[in-house]
Amino acid sequence: QQQVKQSPQSLIVQKGGISIINCAYENTAFDYFPWYQQFPGKGPALLIAIRPDVSEKKEGRFTISFNKSAKQFSLHIMDSQPGDSATYFCAASMGDDKIIFGKGTRLHILP
Amino acid sequence: DAGVIQSPRHEVTEMGQEVTLRCKPISGHNSLFWYRQTMMRGLELLIYFNNNVPIDDSGMPEDRFSAKMPNASFSTLKIQPSEPRDSAVYFCASSPEGSNQPQHFGDGTRLSIL
Repeated sequence: QQQVKQSPQSLIVQKGGISIINCAYENTAFDYFPWYQQFPGKGPALLIAIRPDVSEKKEGRFTISFNKSAKQFSLHIMDSQPGDSATYFCAASMGDDKIIFGKGTRLHILP
Repeated sequence: DAGVIQSPRHEVTEMGQEVTLRCKPISGHNSLFWYRQTMMRGLELLIYFNNNVPIDDSGMPEDRFSAKMPNASFSTLKIQPSEPRDSAVYFCASSPEGSNQPQHFGDGTRLSIL
């Protein structure tokens, strides 16, 4: 119930392509869905977040798509660049301090 | 803005020794989190504090692990005695008052127990 399931574990995309990472949850009490980006040797950092009252949120090349009925959400990175190579975590929260993280996706963008 | 500061950045020690990890949260943040990251288990929440009070320690794996926050600007995570399976990267994060606030992570402590 408290889990956030993330796929794939790793992803390789050509430069300029679209990277897509998917997440699913069970607990309908979750009301906030952030994505974090982590570079090697650094801690995760907030990338973009969405609430379940909207179906899509876009910030530059990054877009979250949210399907409330399916309890799924995904991150799309358009025109993927080598600098986007990192580990991405989806997460969910119930409005308190605690965030439940997915297992992460290691993204590698080929130059 | 100094960000969350963790020390040491790397720690290598022998099994059975006591290990103390330190964290200075961002000034003004009132929630502090300790996480452990491994390849197998991903990012696990160990414990979090709100206004220096431990709120949820259900992620602390064993009694060998303990955490304290004596004041708003300092927290420690202690492992005693340490075991090889404790080897991981340990992150501290802090967040400001309010619901659904972003967590700001430090750069972590890479711990290796031989």
